Amino acid sequence: AQKVTQAQTEISVVEKEDVTLDCVYETRDTTYYLFWYKQPPSGELVFLIRRNSFDEQNEISGRYSWNFQKSTSSFNFTITASQVVDSAVYFCALSDLDRGSTLGRLYFGRGTQLTVWP
Amino acid sequence: DGGITQSPKYLFRKEGQNVTLSCEQNLNHDAMYWYRQDPGQGLRLIYYSQIVNDFQKGDIAEGYSVSREKKESFPLTVTSAQKNPTAFYLCASTDDPQGPEAFFGQGTRLTVV
Repeated sequence: AQKVTQAQTEISVVEKEDVTLDCVYETRDTTYYLFWYKQPPSGELVFLIRRNSFDEQNEISGRYSWNFQKSTSSFNFTITASQVVDSAVYFCALSDLDRGSTLGRLYFGRGTQLTVWP
Repeated sequence: DGGITQSPKYLFRKEGQNVTLSCEQNLNHDAMYWYRQDPGQGLRLIYYSQIVNDFQKGDIAEGYSVSREKKESFPLTVTSAQKNPTAFYLCASTDDPQGPEAFFGQGTRLTVV
């Protein structure tokens, strides 16, 4: 069964610290996608990144970076030099093709509440 | 601007009543989804639809119903059979069903009073 585990429920850091959010996933499929979303207090989920299972290259986007390791089934997210505006709930998600259809669906972890203090 | 609009933002329901949450998108996406979010639980899939007039149950469909009569609209009805409906509901859509990079609405917070 598909499963996404975010073991860190809450993380607090002081501004300018680096912080890593952990994500471990389980799937029997060889083709799948991994995602990170940010949920600010307004409630809307904001897409951050999508990575397919065949691309283990790490990615950097500004202060954000992602480390995908199939060997450990992990897709960790690091924020460098954190800012107060980074405070939000962050969700890791996995998608694959729904059994018997061509429609993918997302499986979410429980989320990590990140609080960045000034 | 293109996007997903959910309404209302806040909704109060008396026990035993059915209520309908609206979700409209102007992104021309085929696939649409409804998720429920409870504190500390992440998002759980209620229903999803790949095309008009077709939809499938997700993991927690009991007590909910949907329709997909138009491509841009995917309303969710929370029926009286849903025993614990108080939650935050999020609608999403995507144009890539095989690897959905879903776009989300701003959510509806439903409270049973």
